[in-house]
Amino acid sequence: AQTVTQSQPEMSVQEAETVTLSCTYDTSESDYYLFWYKQPPSRQMILVIRQEAYKQQNATENRFSVNFQKAAKSFSLKISDSQLGDAAMYFCAYRSARRDDKIIFGKGTRLHILP
Amino acid sequence: SAVISQKPSRDICQRGTSLTIQCQVDSQVTMMFWYRQQPGQSLTLIATANQGSEATYESGFVIDKFPISRPNLTFSTLTVSNMSPEDSSIYLCSVDRVGTDTQYFGPGTRLTVL
Repeated sequence: AQTVTQSQPEMSVQEAETVTLSCTYDTSESDYYLFWYKQPPSRQMILVIRQEAYKQQNATENRFSVNFQKAAKSFSLKISDSQLGDAAMYFCAYRSARRDDKIIFGKGTRLHILP
Repeated sequence: SAVISQKPSRDICQRGTSLTIQCQVDSQVTMMFWYRQQPGQSLTLIATANQGSEATYESGFVIDKFPISRPNLTFSTLTVSNMSPEDSSIYLCSVDRVGTDTQYFGPGTRLTVL
């Protein structure tokens, strides 16, 4: 069975600095998708970034980028120029490319932004 | 992304009662899902809401406790029945849009059971 592990329950970063959140996963499949979701105190789950496993190029969305290491089954999220609004729970998630398969979430990392 | 609304956004209920949560999407979607998020925890999938047929429940969740309806492609309801304080959680609806592999989430319903 697939699993997703986020080993950092909490992290803190100074405003304007860069922070990296770690995520590892376990799967025997070769075709899948990886996601980072953000959940601020408003509780809305917001998609931050998405990576397709067959693409070697790391996904980037403005200040958010990933370091996808397929062989190591690692999918870390880098947030550059951290802003107060980045404070939230961040969930790493895995989804098989098999049709209609469900998403598997990690336990989350709570990110604090220090002014 | 899809625009997803949930009603109610929050509620406080008495033990033994039931609450129905609605999820409405602004466009047709393929899959609709219901999740539970207990305080300080990650998301747990309750079931997949199937249009025109019975929902598919995950291990540990049963239809008698969490009946689900999906009468059309853009609407679903989740009922939390015979509630106890252990049911206090955030309940989230999510959807797969047609032609995508990404789930989008509604704003969630915060339920407190006294």
